[in-house]
Amino acid sequence: SQTIHQWPATLVQPVGSPLSLECTVEGTSNPNLYWYRQAAGRGLQLLFYSVGIGQISSEVPQNLSASRPQDRQFILSSKKLLLSDSGFYLCAWSGGHLWGYTFGSGTRLTVV
Amino acid sequence: DQQVKQNSPSLSVQEGRISILNCDYTNSMFDYFLWYKKYPAEGPTFLISISSIKDKNEDGRFTVFLNKSAKHLSLHIVPSQPGDSAVYFCAALKAAGNKLTFGGGTRVLVKP
Repeated sequence: SQTIHQWPATLVQPVGSPLSLECTVEGTSNPNLYWYRQAAGRGLQLLFYSVGIGQISSEVPQNLSASRPQDRQFILSSKKLLLSDSGFYLCAWSGGHLWGYTFGSGTRLTVV
Repeated sequence: DQQVKQNSPSLSVQEGRISILNCDYTNSMFDYFLWYKKYPAEGPTFLISISSIKDKNEDGRFTVFLNKSAKHLSLHIVPSQPGDSAVYFCAALKAAGNKLTFGGGTRVLVKP
């Protein structure tokens, strides 16, 4: 069966520090991968998606970047975090239920 | 441009009664609509979906209704249970694009 792993679960980082969040999928090949963010009191905003290795599409201009170095690995990064980068970050892959996504358990990022 | 909207940020209902969650969309090209349930500090989990060619889909206590002419869908939970207390996201998908667009979410509280 397919599983998705996302870590760390929580992270507190100072402003200006770098960021690296990792997401891996098991049990499937060539998945579509996604990074979403849920800011406090807000809905789910699509940040990046990838349909293959090295293929990244950015949905909104921001302080973050994404990379897909391997088929089932998706990384969200920042060189210098801003306070506004705080939020709940979710990785997802497409598959499973009809046309839907399967989400990871999320990372709570607090920038202080 | 918010293509999927959930205009009620919160809903409170008595245990055993019906919960009705509403969602409006603006893009008539969406092919599928999905509902996700999210507990705090967890990723959303798929609940139920409906194709744009259908007007109703039922799964146990959950029923989704689609009114294409009004660009409106709703989720009915009957009977509501305390474990249903969560945030519910409406989402829409264009099959060709394979990107889910989410609404802002509705927080449901089921009172015992």
